[in-house]
Amino acid sequence: AQSVTQLDSQVPVFEEAPVELRCNYSSSVSVYLFWYVQYPNQGLQLLLKYLSGSTLVKGINGFEAEFNKSQTSFHLRKPSVHISDTAEYFCAVSVRSNAGGTSYGKLTFGQGTILTVHP
Amino acid sequence: NAGVTQTPKFQVLKTGQSMTLQCAQDMNHNSMYWYRQDPGMGLRLIYYSASEGTTDKGEVPNGYNVSRLNKREFSLRLESAAPSQTSVYFCASRAGGGANTGELFFGEGSRLTVL
Repeated sequence: AQSVTQLDSQVPVFEEAPVELRCNYSSSVSVYLFWYVQYPNQGLQLLLKYLSGSTLVKGINGFEAEFNKSQTSFHLRKPSVHISDTAEYFCAVSVRSNAGGTSYGKLTFGQGTILTVHP
Repeated sequence: NAGVTQTPKFQVLKTGQSMTLQCAQDMNHNSMYWYRQDPGMGLRLIYYSASEGTTDKGEVPNGYNVSRLNKREFSLRLESAAPSQTSVYFCASRAGGGANTGELFFGEGSRLTVL
């Protein structure tokens, strides 16, 4: 089974400051990694995903994440945040297709990190 | 673009009542999912349907049933609602079959309160 731990439940930051949202995962098989964002009263939408290749992944809205296999981490970063980035962010994993079995895209989510950007 | 549509958006039930949450997607996706979201717990998978005609239990299936009515529609039923089922419910869909690389597309959620 897989598990995801988001190390911070809330992250307050001032506008134009850099931010890092931390995510660690645990799995006995290889995984794919995702970050989703949820704006108030909306569903989740994909920010970025790591499937293979370069460990630095760029997503929408200026976000990027780095996969670190040795530390089983997938931290999300943005060099300069805007008020509009205020939202809840979820890290998620799914079993890599060639790791055996077919989990049919089932995602295991972390607990979420609420990012609040202050003016 | 409608994407994934959930109804109702809000519902208040009394303990023991039943109800069905409806979900429809217009993206011709094969797989559909029901998650519940509770504060501090992220999203937890209730049931999923890998393809039309199949359904499977997720992490927290107790107290729920599902029906994959056709390729577009995937409903979630609470037969006898309990206060522990107070939550926000999200339906999602995904294009792929067995491969797990595809993006999930989410509806806007259904907020259910059980008194």
